[in-house]
Amino acid sequence: DTAVSQTPKYLVTQMGNDKSIKCEQNLGHDTMYWYKQDSKKFLKIMFSYNNKELIINETVPNRFSPKSPDKAHLNLHINSLELGDSAVYFCASSQGTASEQFFGPGTRLTVL
Amino acid sequence: GEDVEQSLFLSVREGDSSVINCTYTDSSSTYLYWYKQEPGAGLQLLTYIFSNMDMKQDQRLTVLLNKKDKHLSLRIADTQTGDSAIYFCAEISGGGSYIPTFGRGTSLIVHP
Repeated sequence: DTAVSQTPKYLVTQMGNDKSIKCEQNLGHDTMYWYKQDSKKFLKIMFSYNNKELIINETVPNRFSPKSPDKAHLNLHINSLELGDSAVYFCASSQGTASEQFFGPGTRLTVL
Repeated sequence: GEDVEQSLFLSVREGDSSVINCTYTDSSSTYLYWYKQEPGAGLQLLTYIFSNMDMKQDQRLTVLLNKKDKHLSLRIADTQTGDSAIYFCAEISGGGSYIPTFGRGTSLIVHP
């Protein structure tokens, strides 16, 4: 059983499009995260939800909007995609906000 | 903001020990983690240490924490080619924000 899963694994799209990445965890965790990893492997947190409430919202463009329909899901919607959005996006989850995080396999987004 | 620094590359011979170092600036760090990322995969938690500990051993892995110098290290004994990956140091602040900060990762290359 996959603990943290993301779909799709690869996403290739044109500039200006709107796309979503989905994340699900079956660990029973109450906190979920989105990270962006750039081409230099730098990993930066974007958002965190605890019990469906947004608790971390780092400086990211308004074009990025997370949505948590329930504790097991955290989706990331991106409007008006730009070339600079190309990266690998990782979802993660944890039990509580200060414990170890379990990562999904990543979604490689390529904007052409 | 808080900072976590790692050297970018480490090359070792198979069978030798590897030591990956990390420094951080947040004096209120409560948890410090080591993650491993294999090519094309997500981050996998290897081990973690609480800030009130100075050493933790787990099979081939030894974590040393020098809280005074804000220095964390990961030693891998008898390094194997399967250990080749990027290793990320991460810390979570105890200052209330619980925003995890990751280092840029150390690429460990194990050659025969």
